[in-house]
Amino acid sequence: DQQVKQNSPSLSVQEGRISILNCDYTNSMFDYFLWYKKYPAEGPTFLISISSIKDKNEDGRFTVFLNKSAKHLSLHIVPSQPGDSAVYFCAASGPGNTPLVFGKGTRLSVIA
Amino acid sequence: NAGVMQNPRHLVRRRGQEARLRCSPMKGHSHVYWYRQLPEEGLKFMVYLQKENIIDESGMPKERFSAEFPKEGPSILRIQQVVRGDSAAYFCASSTNRGGSGSPLHFGNGTRLTVT
Repeated sequence: DQQVKQNSPSLSVQEGRISILNCDYTNSMFDYFLWYKKYPAEGPTFLISISSIKDKNEDGRFTVFLNKSAKHLSLHIVPSQPGDSAVYFCAASGPGNTPLVFGKGTRLSVIA
Repeated sequence: NAGVMQNPRHLVRRRGQEARLRCSPMKGHSHVYWYRQLPEEGLKFMVYLQKENIIDESGMPKERFSAEFPKEGPSILRIQQVVRGDSAAYFCASSTNRGGSGSPLHFGNGTRLTVT
């Protein structure tokens, strides 16, 4: 029973273009959503988050969109750079002491 | 990932041995989480601890696995009588509070356990 789903295991994008990573969730109690980036042999690094009271949050080249009715969020990276090549994990948590739940990740390759 | 220190980075154990994984949270963080990542999988929650207390161990296997976060010293994840299926990357994370709204988890670089 995967509560957070990233249906695309991989994505290739040309340098300079937009990367769009998608994430779906099933638990309507989730109220906080995060994206993490992970390089090989390193731990995940926090990238950007969004609370359920918002539908968009922007930080430089990274924007996260939340569609609560569709239980869907997406991460936009524009313009994409070769250094963005990594595995991106979507994560979500609910109220109270509920742990962060992660998706399986999407491997992004930005081609120069 | 600066701040959350995990050691060792790599650990090799034979079947039946014990594995001890250590995690020192970021300075000022009193909440520690352990996650496990199997190959080609996402991170699976194992246990959430505060100093001297286990808050949530719903993701921890019922046997052979235990965790602690003593008043002094690092958090320890202990796996007794390891089996090949325990081979994975184990990540520790810390936060200032429960890791929910407004307080993302900060992860260490993990311990890669290999059971031969």
